Amino acid sequence: GDSVTQMEGPVTLSEEACLTINCTYTATGYPSLFWYVQYPGEGLQLLLKATKADDKGSNKGFEATYRKETTSFHLEKGSVQVSDSAVYFCALSDRWYGFGNEKLTFGTGTRLTIIP
Amino acid sequence: GAGVSQSPRYKVAKRGQDVALRCDPISGHVSLFWYQQALGQGPEFLTYFQNEAQLDKSGLPSDRFFAERPEGSVSTLKIQRTQQEDSAVYLCASSLASLGNTQYFGPGTRLTVL
Repeated sequence: GDSVTQMEGPVTLSEEACLTINCTYTATGYPSLFWYVQYPGEGLQLLLKATKADDKGSNKGFEATYRKETTSFHLEKGSVQVSDSAVYFCALSDRWYGFGNEKLTFGTGTRLTIIP
Repeated sequence: GAGVSQSPRYKVAKRGQDVALRCDPISGHVSLFWYQQALGQGPEFLTYFQNEAQLDKSGLPSDRFFAERPEGSVSTLKIQRTQQEDSAVYLCASSLASLGNTQYFGPGTRLTVL
């Protein structure tokens, strides 16, 4: 079945440091890949997505590239801010299902804390 | 516009009680998903509706779990005879259509079974 393996946290960085959160996946079809973010006290929000191999998703200074050869979708940011402190979830939806049910399969989440 | 809303935000139940969790999706969204998120884990799929039709309920953990969306809008997740292992955050998400569109999540209902 589908699965997502995500870098375990928690991760603590100083402001302006570089960030990488690793994510690898297993899927039987042609998955779309996502990063969701959950800020303290808020619901899950889509951060970025990529729908096919070699696509790069980007938003708010974050980037992730869909690498089919390594089945990876690592999240990167060049300079993090205190406001980036949140829990980050890697997820996939597998379009193997003929009726297009794009249920999401999530990783376990990585808690990121940025200190000033 | 208004996002996905869920009620109640917090629910405490005694073991054996029945509970009902409500989800109000974004107006006009065809697809509705329920997920269960245990403490320290990622959300796990429970069930999926397209309008009023429940097309996938493969993630429901037992026959104590039941979901409905009778008019293709508001959905209710019901858990009968709650057990301690049912304690989790229950998330609802909606999207315009099932293929290729972003799922928008509600704030969740935190269920604690004592």
